[in-house]
Amino acid sequence: QKEVEQDPGPLSVPEGAIVSLNCTYSNSAFQYFMWYRQYSRKGPELLMYTYSSGNKEDGRFTAQVDKSSKYISLFIRDSQPSDSATYLCAMSARNYGQNFVFGPGTRLSVLP
Amino acid sequence: EADIYQTPRYLVIGTGKKITLECSQTMGHDKMYWYQQDPGMELHLIHYSYGVNSTEKGDLSSESTVSRIRTEHFPLTLESARPSHTSQYLCASSPGLAGGPLETQYFGPGTRLLVL
Repeated sequence: QKEVEQDPGPLSVPEGAIVSLNCTYSNSAFQYFMWYRQYSRKGPELLMYTYSSGNKEDGRFTAQVDKSSKYISLFIRDSQPSDSATYLCAMSARNYGQNFVFGPGTRLSVLP
Repeated sequence: EADIYQTPRYLVIGTGKKITLECSQTMGHDKMYWYQQDPGMELHLIHYSYGVNSTEKGDLSSESTVSRIRTEHFPLTLESARPSHTSQYLCASSPGLAGGPLETQYFGPGTRLLVL
C-alpha cells in the first residue's frame, strides 16, 4: 500500500462547478499537509498548507484535514478554466522538505 | 514569484553519454532538492542539500550525483545515461527556516530527459 493515495482522474467539470480533490494516507505521524498545483510542462507551485486537523480557506480554495480518517481534501469553488491543472497533495511528519511525501496527482479540466 | 531556473528544459541523448542538469536559484535559499517525476506518478526525492558542501541522498535510489559548491547552484550529473533514466527532473529550493512555519518549496520548470 502506498503511503499517499490520490484519485488520478482525469476529472472534468463545467466552469463554475465546485470541485473536490481528495487524498488518503496511511502514516498517522503526518501532521503537515500541502496542496500543489502543477500546470502542464511546469513545476508544482504551493497552493495551500495546513498543520494538523481543521480547515483553511484562501479565496476560492479550502483545504480540509481529517486526521482521524487520514483524509485530506481541497475544494475549489466557482472553478475556472485557468484552474485546469494537476493537483498534488503532499504531507510530512516533520517540518522538513526532505520528508515530504507526494501523491501522484489528480488531473483536473474545467470546461468553459 | 519564485526565481529558480533549470536548463535544459528538454534533452534527448544517447545511451552512455554523460549529462549535467543545471539548477540555479536567485533567492539565497539554503536548501535545494532534486525530484524525479514520471507521468502520472509521485514526485520522488533523489537528492537534497542543506547548504554549501552539504549533499544527501533522498528516498529514491539514483545513479546520479550532485554538488553544491555555491549557494545558488545545484547541478545533477548522470555519468552514463541509460533509457531507464528517462523521466522529468524537478529542482526545488526552500528558505529552510528551522522551527518556523512550513518549509515552502519553490519548484523550477523541470527538465524532460529522454535517453535513447
